[in-house]
Amino acid sequence: NSKVIQTPRYLVKGQGQKAKMRCIPEKGHPVVFWYQQNKNNEFKFLINFQNQEVLQQIDMTEKRFSAECPSNSPCSLEIQSSEAGDSALYLCASKQGNTEVFFGKGTRLTVV
Amino acid sequence: GDQVEQSPSALSLHEGTGSALRCNFTTTMRAVQWFQQNSRGSLINLFYLASGTKENGRLKSTFNSKESYSTLHIRDAQLEDSGTYFCAAEVLNNNAPRFGAGTKLSVKP
Repeated sequence: NSKVIQTPRYLVKGQGQKAKMRCIPEKGHPVVFWYQQNKNNEFKFLINFQNQEVLQQIDMTEKRFSAECPSNSPCSLEIQSSEAGDSALYLCASKQGNTEVFFGKGTRLTVV
Repeated sequence: GDQVEQSPSALSLHEGTGSALRCNFTTTMRAVQWFQQNSRGSLINLFYLASGTKENGRLKSTFNSKESYSTLHIRDAQLEDSGTYFCAAEVLNNNAPRFGAGTKLSVKP
């Protein structure tokens, strides 16, 4: 029932490598969320956007994570220097307003 | 602290039986969603409620904002209902939904 498209579905990177994943929200959905789901199934909110503007984000003081939602391009989440602990399912979601959130199928990142 | 407390963490049902999952909230929530996550990781939308009760087939969900809880009832469980169920609740519009820890449901023949 979701039309959120995430690519790639699987991503394998070596430690220290850059990892980039993309998300195309549903058409007409201005709000986009990124979550990280770890191996214990816990969801961690990372960042969300309304159109191109950041609404909320966690303290990314590690500076290894960055995200953007440029106009007329897919949203993206990038890890500058991957670490083993970044291995997780990264989920993108979008919504229209006071409505339900729809998730993509996720990008499963494995850092070896 | 945790704002969404989901229980039980695991549940085993025989086909044809039913049970309820619950989420308690430690702060006032504006709306709640329930999802089923399958073995491939895909999150399937089950319900979105700002109040009251909704029913869809063998599933029914209730959200009581004043008493800070939501429930998901499953009746006549089928094998394909197996998976992990999550509730996710919003404090304010456009704030990121906060997820519960999930309930792993196993339906056995």
